[in-house]
Amino acid sequence: DIQLIQSPSFLSASVGDRVTITCRASQGISSDLAWYQQKPGKAPKLLIYDAVTLQSGVPSRFSGSGSGTQFTLTVSSLRPEDFATYYCQQVNSYPLTFGGGTKVEIK
Amino acid sequence: QLQLQESGPGLVKPSETLSLTCSVSGGSIISTSAYWGWIRQPPGKGLEWIGNIYYSGNTYYNSALKTRVTIAVDTSKNQFSLRLRSVTAADMAVYYCARLSGIYDISPGYNIGMDVWGQGTTVTVSS
Repeated sequence: DIQLIQSPSFLSASVGDRVTITCRASQGISSDLAWYQQKPGKAPKLLIYDAVTLQSGVPSRFSGSGSGTQFTLTVSSLRPEDFATYYCQQVNSYPLTFGGGTKVEIK
Repeated sequence: QLQLQESGPGLVKPSETLSLTCSVSGGSIISTSAYWGWIRQPPGKGLEWIGNIYYSGNTYYNSALKTRVTIAVDTSKNQFSLRLRSVTAADMAVYYCARLSGIYDISPGYNIGMDVWGQGTTVTVSS
């Protein structure tokens, strides 16, 4: 199975900060990576797919990059509604796997 | 727009079978651009993919759960279901159903991401 390691697992930041989350795959997955945002008590929401493509309706302050084994999710300027937990997921091959998550909290 | 809704017992006894159904509305489960999946999240923990099914019945399962899991589709009811046998406390979680969008009328197929989710249903394992 392909393992996904996210870092950091916890991040404390302020409104307006630029934030970067990393996801590393245990083997190459091309660009077959998705990012999700989850708020407490809610279902995850797809933010980015194909590593770099913004899902419809997602603000442009979110961006993704990477391919192969190293990927990043960046929020250019944190807004209050962005404080949440973020997960990466590889969709390259079965079984599909998620990273462990990164919780972004208010400093 | 497409909506998914989980249903099923919220309480299951240890060693028994967990059974959940996901009802699809606002679109057809018969689609060449969708697999239908189950994901769970234990309290305070991360997401765990359980498995996916295509409208034709083709399935993929989590390696750690495949001996206990069955996912089935009922196209006449526009539903798909999850059965997890021999449950223990470790199976307590919020269970989500979701659509995995992709391109599946070519070979090989191509996954995009889980773009529509149900609200989730909490399952407790207790006698």
